[in-house]
Amino acid sequence: QEQLVESGGGVVQPGGSLRLSCGASGFSFNSYGMHWVRQAPGKGLEWVAVVWYDGKKQYYGDSVRGRFTISRDNSKKTVYLQMNSLRADDTAVYYCARGQTSMDVWGKGTTVTVSS
Amino acid sequence: DIQMTQSPSSVSASVGDTVTITCRASQGVTSWLAWYQQKPGKAPSLLIYGSSHVEDGVPSRFSGSGYGTKFTLTISSLQPEDFATYYCQQAIDYPWTFGQGTKVEIK
Repeated sequence: QEQLVESGGGVVQPGGSLRLSCGASGFSFNSYGMHWVRQAPGKGLEWVAVVWYDGKKQYYGDSVRGRFTISRDNSKKTVYLQMNSLRADDTAVYYCARGQTSMDVWGKGTTVTVSS
Repeated sequence: DIQMTQSPSSVSASVGDTVTITCRASQGVTSWLAWYQQKPGKAPSLLIYGSSHVEDGVPSRFSGSGYGTKFTLTISSLQPEDFATYYCQQAIDYPWTFGQGTKVEIK
C-alpha cells in the first residue's frame, strides 16, 4: 500500500525554523519526484516545492523561495522541508505528495502554526 | 507564473445533476492539467491527469477535457459523496499552480 506520512509540525514563533519530514512506504521512492503543498486555514491549495527523484533539482513557490529548502534521502525514503524565517502567513497544513506530472499519492498532512 | 482561474467559485446542485467546472490558464499549458477533489479535513485526491485521463479507482462519472488555456471537469449524475471542493492544477511549468477551488454544495 502506497503511503506517505508527514511529521514535524508544531507551533513556532515568527522568525523561527522548523523541519518537516515525510516518510514513504509501499512504492519505489527513488523513482518519483516529491512535492510539498500547503493549505492555510480556510484557504485553497498552494504548491510549495518539488525535489526530483534523484535530489538533483529543486523548484520553489514564489512565497517560500529563499526561506524554505526541500531535500530527500532516498536511503531513508524520506523527503524534508526545512523552513526558516517563518512568518504568520506560513501557518498551514503541509502535505507531501508524490508525482511527476500530477500528484497521485498524498499524506494526511502536518500542521504548522507560526505565532508568538 | 501561470495563473489558474476556476469558475464558478461555488455551485449548488442536487443528487443526480450534472455539474461542470471550468478552469482557465493565463497561458497555454497544453494538456498538463490535473483535477483534485478535497473533502473537509482530508487531503486532496487526484481525479484527472493529463487533462482527460481518469485516475485508477475514480468513478467513470468524472471526466475532464480541454487543451491549451481552457479546461472542464464534468461530474455526471452527482452522488452524495461528490460534495466537496475541486481544484485544477497546471504542471507544465514550475512553480506549479492551483486554481482557487470550486465548492460543490448540496442544493
